[in-house]
Amino acid sequence: QSALTQPASVSGSPGQSITISCTGSRSDIGTYNYVSWYQHHPGKAPKLIISEVSNRPSGVSNRFSGSKSGSTASLTISGLQAEDEADYYCSSFTSSSTGVFGTGTKVTVL
Amino acid sequence: EVQLVQSGAEVKKPGESLKISCKSSGYSFSTYWIGWVRQVPGKGLEWMGIIYPGDSDTRYSPSFQGQVTFSTEKSINTAYLQWSSLKASDTAIYYCARQLNGVPNFDYWGQGTPVSVSS
Repeated sequence: QSALTQPASVSGSPGQSITISCTGSRSDIGTYNYVSWYQHHPGKAPKLIISEVSNRPSGVSNRFSGSKSGSTASLTISGLQAEDEADYYCSSFTSSSTGVFGTGTKVTVL
Repeated sequence: EVQLVQSGAEVKKPGESLKISCKSSGYSFSTYWIGWVRQVPGKGLEWMGIIYPGDSDTRYSPSFQGQVTFSTEKSINTAYLQWSSLKASDTAIYYCARQLNGVPNFDYWGQGTPVSVSS
C-alpha cells in the first residue's frame, strides 16, 4: 500500500487560507469516506483534526475543514495563525482493511 | 479522561529483542482498537497496524507483517509492540493510538516511544 500523496510544503500569511491536497486511489480515498487529517507538532503526539472526510472532533477549531472529490481529499485552514505551523498528514482506510498515511505536508506561517 | 501512556525510550543493539508498552485508562479498553504508528527520524508517519483487545484480532500493514508482533493484556489495559530481532532501520519513534470500532481513525494518542538501534 503506497503512501497517499501530499505536497511537501504549503505556506501562507497570517489570516490567509491554505489548502492541502491528499491524492490516493480507488483502493482508498476513492472508495471510502474514511479520510482523516492529523496535525503534528514535532516532539508532540499527533492530533486528530478531521475525521470521516469533513467531521471536526469536539474542541477542534472551525478554521479547519475537510472535503473530498474522487480520489483526492483536501484540508483547508482558514484564518491562518502562527500556532497552525506544523506537519499535517492525511490518512485513509483501504480495501485491505488497513490504513495508510499521506506523505505529510509542512505548513509554514510567513 | 482518556490517556495512553507509553513506556520510555529504548537503546538497543541489532539482533536484540524488544517489547514496548502502551497503557490505556479512562475508557473501556476491550472495545476500542489500538493502533501503532512509526515515524523514522526526518520522515513521515507510517501506519503499522491495529489490534482489537476484545478478541486479539489484528491487521498488519503489508510493510510490517512478519516484522513486528502486536499483543494485549486486558487485565492491565496494556498493548504491546514487539520485535524478535531489531535492525538499525527500526530506529524511530513509535506511537500507539486508540481507534473506535467501525471508525478507522486515531482519536487519542500516546506520547511516543523513541527506539534507537545501533551497534
